[in-house]
Amino acid sequence: KAGVTQTPRYLIKTRGQQVTLSCSPISGHRSVSWYQQTPGQGLQFLFEYFSETQRNKGNFPGRFSGRQFSNSRSEMNVSTLELGDSALYLCASSSLPLQANTEAFFGQGTRLTVV
Amino acid sequence: AQSVTQLDSQVPVFEEAPVELRCNYSSSVSVYLFWYVQYPNQGLQLLLKYLSGSTLVKGINGFEAEFNKSQTSFHLRKPSVHISDTAEYFCAVSIIQGAQKLVFGQGTRLTINP
Repeated sequence: KAGVTQTPRYLIKTRGQQVTLSCSPISGHRSVSWYQQTPGQGLQFLFEYFSETQRNKGNFPGRFSGRQFSNSRSEMNVSTLELGDSALYLCASSSLPLQANTEAFFGQGTRLTVV
Repeated sequence: AQSVTQLDSQVPVFEEAPVELRCNYSSSVSVYLFWYVQYPNQGLQLLLKYLSGSTLVKGINGFEAEFNKSQTSFHLRKPSVHISDTAEYFCAVSIIQGAQKLVFGQGTRLTINP
């Protein structure tokens, strides 16, 4: 059974540009959540999607947005990139809506560098 | 709001020595507790979780953790570490009620020296 697949693995963008990251969950999983990992802030929750609906959102500016398609694949978009957006972006999938006792399976992440 | 504090940012130990990675949490409501491991250039992998029942939880790769409600702690232990345990370890909590999100600690980098 294939794991969570994130593409691309590495990305370099210029300030002011926008970027789209992709996440394909484990087959059969309908929940996808996104996290940002930086050395200073650690791991922070961005948002969760289940069945194409956003269920929960973290404390990030509106430049960060996402969506989920009918095949459960999810994309995350960041507009007007800032240097501080440089981070490892992790996607996690689970079979059920992300309840407290639902195990989330993480992908390897997309490392975004903003220059 | 919930918060997680991992008391040590780095822990160096010798191979075959025991190790304890400390985690304390703060929450006004009941929580579930998790430990994740992140190997270099990899995503997170669940080591173990405490949902209810026995306060001693056993996970993969020989790790275990003990939930202590009075001390709001969930320390991770392994009696004998291997070079392959070199990684970053994250403690996380989620609240039992409501839409769930994982709140992570800052991580502890475990380095195993031969």
